Amino acid sequence: DAKTTQPPSMDCAEGRAANLPCNHSTISGNEYVYWYRQIHSQGPQYIIHGLKNNETNEMASLIITEDRKSSTLILPHATLRDTAVYYCIAGIMEYGNKLVFGAGTILRVKS
Amino acid sequence: KAGVTQTPRYLIKTRGQQVTLSCSPISGHRSVSWYQQTPGQGLQFLFEYFSETQRNKGNFPGRFSGRQFSNSRSEMNVSTLELGDSALYLCASSLDGRGHGYTFGSGTRLTVV
Repeated sequence: DAKTTQPPSMDCAEGRAANLPCNHSTISGNEYVYWYRQIHSQGPQYIIHGLKNNETNEMASLIITEDRKSSTLILPHATLRDTAVYYCIAGIMEYGNKLVFGAGTILRVKS
Repeated sequence: KAGVTQTPRYLIKTRGQQVTLSCSPISGHRSVSWYQQTPGQGLQFLFEYFSETQRNKGNFPGRFSGRQFSNSRSEMNVSTLELGDSALYLCASSLDGRGHGYTFGSGTRLTVV
């Protein structure tokens, strides 16, 4: 699985967009980018995943660069409840594959 | 729909004892994975089960074992507990265990004294 690099922490004002970057320069062609988040005292929560194209769901948008070496998770209107550790993971989508979590980015949404 | 249920939520054990943790996946999910989370090592993969078969295993000693039942419920066992086994143990279920769409439980907090 490709190694990912994320900033250790970020702040965001409530109501503004939160843009969380992730570097995965060694990602291979068949590795997906997954994003999970972990709110304090809870298990991680799946947010979104993608391979090449940009993806959007009800929680967030995922923008992957054309060379696939980096991506950005966008929370369009951050709320205080979005304060969490965000994990960017690169991995092959195959049966039984494990998720390799790094240290993640602590996002603090402030009022 | 009901989420992933892990029992017990908290557990205190003595060094040398053994412990069994339980995980009930979301109905219809056949893949169950287990992770250990500690402040020093973060989230680490233990093993994954699908239809009662272990498909993948992380780098943990043989003291850590698991199993899955025909109803997809899973248990993990840690024998001869060490202080370093103190951690939050998380279970995740998914339809097929392919990396996306995992639903995690709230975990079992194990303290070894």
